[in-house]
Amino acid sequence: KQEVTQIPAALSVPEGENLVLNCSFTDSAIYNLQWFRQDPGKGLTSLLLIQSSQREQTSGRLNASLDKSSGRSTLYIAASQPGDSATYLCAAPSGSARQLTFGSGTQLTVLP
Amino acid sequence: DGGITQSPKYLFRKEGQNVTLSCEQNLNHDAMYWYRQDPGQGLRLIYYSQIVNDFQKGDIAEGYSVSREKKESFPLTVTSAQKNPTAFYLCASSTDRYYGYTFGSGTRLTVV
Repeated sequence: KQEVTQIPAALSVPEGENLVLNCSFTDSAIYNLQWFRQDPGKGLTSLLLIQSSQREQTSGRLNASLDKSSGRSTLYIAASQPGDSATYLCAAPSGSARQLTFGSGTQLTVLP
Repeated sequence: DGGITQSPKYLFRKEGQNVTLSCEQNLNHDAMYWYRQDPGQGLRLIYYSQIVNDFQKGDIAEGYSVSREKKESFPLTVTSAQKNPTAFYLCASSTDRYYGYTFGSGTRLTVV
């Protein structure tokens, strides 16, 4: 059964800093991995989807990497802004029916 | 615009009542999912459906029921057998194993 772990659980940084969020998964037989953002009381917004054939995926100031062999993914946020403050969730597929297993998230606070 | 609509946004349930959460999508996605989110925790899978008239239990299905009579709709009923239903409920859909999930905005259920 897939297990997903995210470290750290919470992170507070000053505006402008570059930061890395970590995600690890136990079953490396995945076909993709997805990063989401969740604002308080809201649903999940997809940020990046990395296919197993890719090593990196970029969108604006966000860059996600995937290393299946080590069971790890990282989300890199460049030049952080207060608007980046949110919870970031990593999810990996589990089973043949495409169910996603989620980590507990990293709560990011960017201080002005 | 295509997306997933969850209603209501807030729902209050009295002890012993069954309540139904609505989830509708116009993305023409085959698969639909229900997740539960508790404070400080990741998402846990309740039920999922890959095609119309077929659905499977997830990790925490006890006390919940679903139906999938139409491709666009996947309602979740929280029955009186669910002893701790207060949580944030999220519905999602996907079209193919290589494409990611799309989430609705969620329903917050509170027992009064």
